[in-house]
Amino acid sequence: DADVTQTPRNRITKTGKRIMLECSQTKGHDRMYWYRQDPGLGLRLIYYSFDVKDINKGEISDGYSVSRQAQAKFSLSLESAIPNQTALYFCAIQGTNYGYTFGSGTRLTVV
Amino acid sequence: LAKTTQPISMDSYEGQEVNITCSHNNIATNDYITWYQQFPSQGPRFIIQGYKTKVTNEVASLFIPADRKSSTLSLPRVSLSDTAVYYCLVGPGGYNKLIFGAGTRLAVHP
Repeated sequence: DADVTQTPRNRITKTGKRIMLECSQTKGHDRMYWYRQDPGLGLRLIYYSFDVKDINKGEISDGYSVSRQAQAKFSLSLESAIPNQTALYFCAIQGTNYGYTFGSGTRLTVV
Repeated sequence: LAKTTQPISMDSYEGQEVNITCSHNNIATNDYITWYQQFPSQGPRFIIQGYKTKVTNEVASLFIPADRKSSTLSLPRVSLSDTAVYYCLVGPGGYNKLIFGAGTRLAVHP
C-alpha cells in the first residue's frame, strides 16, 4: 500500500455541488496537510492538522473545510463547488524527519 | 518563514551537470534548506535537505555557503527523466508547515 492514498484520483462535478476528497496514510504520522496546485504554479496550503484534535487554516482556506476523522484520515470538503476551485489537490503527511510525503493527487474539475 | 527566490526555468542537455541556485537572504538561525522535485501530475518528492556546508546523497548535492543566504542544488549528469519542477524551501527544523513557491522548471533536452 502507498504511504499516502488519495481518493478519488479524478473527479468532475457541477457548480454548487458538495464534494469530499479523502486522504489516508499508513505511516502513523500526526501531521497532515492539504495543498492545492493550479497549472504552472506552486502548491498553496489549504488546511493542516497536527493531530486529531487540531485543525488549522492555511493560505487559502475560504470555500473549503476539513475533517480529521482519525490519525490516519484527513478529508477535504468543498461545500459548494465553484469553477475556480478546479485544480490538482494534494494531501501530504509529515514525519519527525521534517520531510513531507505526498499523495498522488486528485484532479478536480468543476463545471 | 524565509522567502526564497529561484529562477523560473532552466534548460540543459543530457549528461550535463545542472546547478539551481536559491536565494534566501532572510534565513533564520534555526532554518533548514530543503529541495523537492515534482513531475507533472504527481506530488512533490523530497530530494535533499541541509543546514550548512555540503550535503550529498544518491540523487543530488546541496551546497550552502557560510552565510547561508543562498544554496545551490546540483544534479550530476542529468537525463531526460530529470525534467521536472524543483522547489527550494526554507523553514525551521522539526515540525512545521512548508510554503511552496513557484519553483524552477528544468527541461532536459536530448
